[in-house]
Amino acid sequence: EDKVVQSPLSLVVHEGDTVTLNCSYEVTNFRSLLWYKQEKKAPTFLFMLTSSGIEKKSGRLSSILDKKELSSILNITATQTGDSAIYLCAVSKGAGGTSYGKLTFGQGTILTVHP
Amino acid sequence: NAGVTQTPKFQVLKTGQSMTLQCAQDMNHEYMSWYRQDPGMGLRLIHYSVGAGITDQGEVPNGYNVSRSTTEDFPLRLLSAAPSQTSVYFCASKRGSTDTQYFGPGTRLTVL
Repeated sequence: EDKVVQSPLSLVVHEGDTVTLNCSYEVTNFRSLLWYKQEKKAPTFLFMLTSSGIEKKSGRLSSILDKKELSSILNITATQTGDSAIYLCAVSKGAGGTSYGKLTFGQGTILTVHP
Repeated sequence: NAGVTQTPKFQVLKTGQSMTLQCAQDMNHEYMSWYRQDPGMGLRLIHYSVGAGITDQGEVPNGYNVSRSTTEDFPLRLLSAAPSQTSVYFCASKRGSTDTQYFGPGTRLTVL
């Protein structure tokens, strides 16, 4: 059975802190790992990591994929109150260059950033 | 582009009632999916479609039906609502060549 596990489940920090969110996975036919940010409504896409793109960065956010350890981290530096959200990790499966079209999600990490 | 749209935003049903959650996308995406989100459980896949006329079950399909008669629309039907179906429902779509799914704003469903 495919499994995606995130840790910690919740995290409370103060503005300016740096946080690291973890995601580990056990899936067959791994194709890519995606990070989403969810505020009050729909999840919004942050990063996608694959075998050919194991590190991504955008502003204060960065993410690394460790295919050997079957895990990924999402780093947020100099946190702001606007970073408060649920961060979701998801894994996509596929074979022969084709996506199965399904995502398996972890439970999410609830990040709260206090002023 | 409106992206992925869902209606209604909120719905309250009584046990045993039926209803259809609507989902539409205007990006000409081949893949469409329905997920439900419950506290502490992330998003779980209900049903998905790889193109018009083709659907398949996800992780938690029981109690739900889908059909895909057009590329744009992917409705989710609850035939006989149960309290266990109280959840937030998200529709998503993507192009066939990518993995990035784009989500609609969600429908919050309460079954009494």
